[in-house]
Amino acid sequence: EPEVTQTPSHQVTQMGQEVILRCVPISNHLYFYWYRQILGQKVEFLVSFYNNEISEKSEIFDDQFSVERPDGSNFTLKIRSTKLEDSAMYFCASRVDSSGNTIYFGEGSWLTVV
Amino acid sequence: LAKTTQPISMDSYEGQEVNITCSHNNIATNDYITWYQQFPSQGPRFIIQGYKTKVTNEVASLFIPADRKSSTLSLPRVSLSDTAVYYCLVGPFTGGYQKVTFGTGTKLQVIP
Repeated sequence: EPEVTQTPSHQVTQMGQEVILRCVPISNHLYFYWYRQILGQKVEFLVSFYNNEISEKSEIFDDQFSVERPDGSNFTLKIRSTKLEDSAMYFCASRVDSSGNTIYFGEGSWLTVV
Repeated sequence: LAKTTQPISMDSYEGQEVNITCSHNNIATNDYITWYQQFPSQGPRFIIQGYKTKVTNEVASLFIPADRKSSTLSLPRVSLSDTAVYYCLVGPFTGGYQKVTFGTGTKLQVIP
């Protein structure tokens, strides 16, 4: 079964450093998402991406965050200057198209900011 | 998006059938009901989706009454590996709907 893959699985970074989380969505999918889950809390929507632009973003997704699809296969989330409260599991997800009824999630990238 | 309410936690013994009910009183005509499963430190995984009546797959069954204001996820003969958080999501998955929104889910603990 095709799957969404994410790298790294775990990253530790110092506060103020830039972090890039990478995702390879399922190959024929057109909609891409980033979610995050702080330890012990619920899964929160960050951003959705379609046709090379952001289609929706949450309040969490401020100017410190950006997304990019640089080469037609990877989908990246960049945090420009990490804060302690950015420590969380970040999930990438994808959906085939607007009629697709299932969003597929990756296994996540665990980010620890120290 | 329709608001959902589900129990915070449930315990069950191995081998029993587990039913988790979700209330969604303000479900809209074009909303579907979807359930996801999440193991610790893993991404949510799609289990089942339905619009009305009953849907069954190799993992679970989903019962939706005629008024669609609630739904019940049924897991037959659970095992320890079914210990996870189960999320009920309601939304229009077609026509350009962009995201899913997770609630707090139901934490199912399967006991030996």
